[in-house]
Order: sequence, then structure tokens, then C-alpha cells
Amino acid sequence: KAGVTQTPRYLIKTRGQQVTLSCSPISGHRSVSWYQQTPGQGLQFLFEYFSETQRNKGNFPGRFSGRQFSNSRSEMNVSTLELGDSALYLCASGRDRVNTGELFFGEGSRLTVL
Amino acid sequence: GQQLNQSPQSMFIQEGEDVSMNCTSSSIFNTWLWYKQDPGEGPVLLIALYKAGELTSNGRLTAQFGITRKDSFLNISASIPSDVGIYFCAGRRSQGNLIFGKGTKLSVKP
Repeated sequence: KAGVTQTPRYLIKTRGQQVTLSCSPISGHRSVSWYQQTPGQGLQFLFEYFSETQRNKGNFPGRFSGRQFSNSRSEMNVSTLELGDSALYLCASGRDRVNTGELFFGEGSRLTVL
Repeated sequence: GQQLNQSPQSMFIQEGEDVSMNCTSSSIFNTWLWYKQDPGEGPVLLIALYKAGELTSNGRLTAQFGITRKDSFLNISASIPSDVGIYFCAGRRSQGNLIFGKGTKLSVKP
């Protein structure tokens, strides 16, 4: 069974640009969550989607947005990039309809903003 | 955002030693989970706990859900080199997202 796939794995952008990250969950999983990981703040929750609906949202500015498609694949977008957005962005899928916290993480997309 | 207090921040292990780490919060959680992250990888779930007082094992790993629901502990017995990595605790309230601790980094003693 294929794991959670995130693309791209690495990318470099400059301030002011925007970026779109993609996540394909494990087959059959309908829940997708996104986390930002930085050395200073650790793992911070961005948002969670289930069946194309945003079920939960973290405390990030509106520049961070996401969506989920009918095939459960998800994308997140960050507009007007700032230096502080440099981070590892992790996507995780869940197999349960109820969010049990049991998540399967991808390897992440490492974003560097110059 | 809110985070859990995880300690120690880092520790060195010698093969064969037992390891303990813990996580505390000022708030109550319904679920406690422990994840491990290796370099270049995403976190991997080790143990999930759903009831106060619950003690659960996964091989050499044992975790406990504190009776006050505000803490959790992870023990690793007879550590081996592949135990090296970063261990994260995570707590979840009902209908809420996971809140992660800042991690305990396990390294091998030189």
C-alpha cells in the first residue's frame, strides 16, 4: 500500500511569490491534515479536510489556504511568501471518519523562501 | 500556538539503556499519542492512548496516559541504535486537531 505522497519535495521561492503544495493520501483515506514544522515552533497545525470540507483550521494568516478534491487529494497554497514561511510542510492522512489523531505522515515538502 | 511541555529536550543513549520521556499540559486531553521522526522523514505513529490510566506497549516501547489526563509518558527499554531520532508527544481534545510537543531528540553516546 503506497504511503502519503507529497510533491514537490524541495522548492525555493522568493519573497512575494506564491506556492502550491500537493498531497496524495493513502488509498481509502478521506481525511487530510497539513502541518508546518520549523525548528523554533515545532509542528503547528494548519488545517484538516474531510470529504472536501475543511473540518478544522489552525491559527495561521489568510495567506495560507487549502482544499481537498473529490479523490481526497489535497493542495495547500501560500500566497505573498515571507521569509518566515520557510519550513517543512507535512501532510498527513487519516483512515477514520472521526479524527482519532492516528495520522500517517508524508515525507514533507521543504520550502525555502529567499 | 499552544504546545505541550515535553522533556527532556535531548538525551544521549547507550545501547542497552532504558529511556524515559514525558509530556505535560495545563489542559486535559482525550487522546495522547507518541510519534517518532527520523531525518528526512515524516513522523510515524508509535502508540495511541485513549483512556486515562491506560498503559500500552508496542514492542520495547511502553506509554501511559496520565490519570489526570494532563500528561503522558513514554519508556523505551533496552535501547538499540535505530531508536535514535526525535520523539514527539501529541494531545488531542474531542473534535480537535493534534497539538504536538517540541520533541525529545535521542542521540547515541559518543
